[in-house]
Amino acid sequence: GAVVSQHPSWVICKSGTSVKIECRSLDFQATTMFWYRQFPKQSLMLMATSNEGSKATYEQGVEKDKFLINHASLTLSTLTVTSAHPEDSSFYICSARSTSGQASYNEQFFGPGTRLTVL
Amino acid sequence: AQKITQTQPGMFVQEKEAVTLDCTYDTSDQSYGLFWYKQPSSGEMIFLIYQGSYDEQNATEGRYSLNFQKARKSANLVISASQLGDSAMYFCAMRERGAQKLVFGQGTRLTINP
Repeated sequence: GAVVSQHPSWVICKSGTSVKIECRSLDFQATTMFWYRQFPKQSLMLMATSNEGSKATYEQGVEKDKFLINHASLTLSTLTVTSAHPEDSSFYICSARSTSGQASYNEQFFGPGTRLTVL
Repeated sequence: AQKITQTQPGMFVQEKEAVTLDCTYDTSDQSYGLFWYKQPSSGEMIFLIYQGSYDEQNATEGRYSLNFQKARKSANLVISASQLGDSAMYFCAMRERGAQKLVFGQGTRLTINP
């Protein structure tokens, strides 16, 4: 199956710093990538949808100036958490959707996630 | 409004027994897809099974089957002959036709006891 990677897998940073998380589709091209956030023992909450070459669409309540998303190519999207604070500590998961295929399950693949801890 | 509802926060099952994880959904679309994912403690999302709204037969993938009852808007996951490695969080999700995003339910934590 298609592979999506995320880097780093975990990161610890000081409050006030910025953190960049990369999401790559390794063996397919993804016109659309999704960024999710998951708090412990909770479900995945969609933060934003990014389409290659255009601005990301943020879900209601997500600060676009705090969570900067760039989808510069068909294989790479980045999420930058700016001026991170302890409440931003969470598990961030990206997902990539293939450009080919129809409305079937194999369109969307998930990365392994990045655990962010802000001290 | 909550579109995907999983009413079982936790389930405990003896090894080798079958288990059913409940999922109900709400949509006005006629065309949609239903998904089940497994999330072990490592955090990765593992795709298990998919059911299209127009599929006449229930989807099956190995020990996983989806009990799709369209009129009741339910898409329960059935795991046969449960194994210790099945212990994980399980999420039901839906994508409506024309929508890009998957919407997830709250999840069910399944624990398989030896």
